[in-house]
Amino acid sequence: AQTVTQSQPEMSVQEAETVTLSCTYDTSENNYYLFWYKQPPSRQMILVIRQEAYKQQNATENRFSVNFQKAAKSFSLKISDSQLGDTAMYFCAFQGGGADGLTFGKGTHLIIQP
Amino acid sequence: GAGVSQSPSNKVTEKGKDVELRCDPISGHTALYWYRQSLGQGLEFLIYFQGNSAPDKSGLPSDRFSAERTGGSVSTLTIQRTQQEDSAVYLCASSLVGPLAGGTFTDTQYFGPGTRLTVL
Repeated sequence: AQTVTQSQPEMSVQEAETVTLSCTYDTSENNYYLFWYKQPPSRQMILVIRQEAYKQQNATENRFSVNFQKAAKSFSLKISDSQLGDTAMYFCAFQGGGADGLTFGKGTHLIIQP
Repeated sequence: GAGVSQSPSNKVTEKGKDVELRCDPISGHTALYWYRQSLGQGLEFLIYFQGNSAPDKSGLPSDRFSAERTGGSVSTLTIQRTQQEDSAVYLCASSLVGPLAGGTFTDTQYFGPGTRLTVL
């Protein structure tokens, strides 16, 4: 079974700063997918970024980028020029090759201070 | 286009009652997923449908939980004889296609707003 670990329950940074959220995972599979989802107080889970394990290049989406280290099984999310609207719970998720859903970490509550 | 919708948004019920939660996936999405989000357990995967069939139901917490999907679209999650530990947010997601064996492909899951279930 896969596990996903997010070691930072809560983080707080000032607006416009850069912040990095950590995620490590454990799997014996070689082909898999990793995701970061954002969940604001509205409860809606929103996809932030996605990474295919077979791709060496790190995914980027505007202010969001990942540092994917396959050998270390690490998948951190960097948010540049943070904005107040980035305040939310952030979940790291793993999708393997079985007929299963996503395996989520416990989440990191990110607070952007004005 | 419209996203994943779920109803009701909130449901309060008494212990021992049955409840039905509904999910309307994005039009054309063949795969549908149910998750449960609770303070104690975090986000747990419950069940996945490809079309109308669920390959694996082992993620359902107990035999009081059942799910069905008809016409390849709407799905209902039914909880019989609800218990207080069933209190949680139930999230539904859909994707264009489901995961293929061997991890060769997976499609992004898009989530609904969830149903908050409170069992008194």
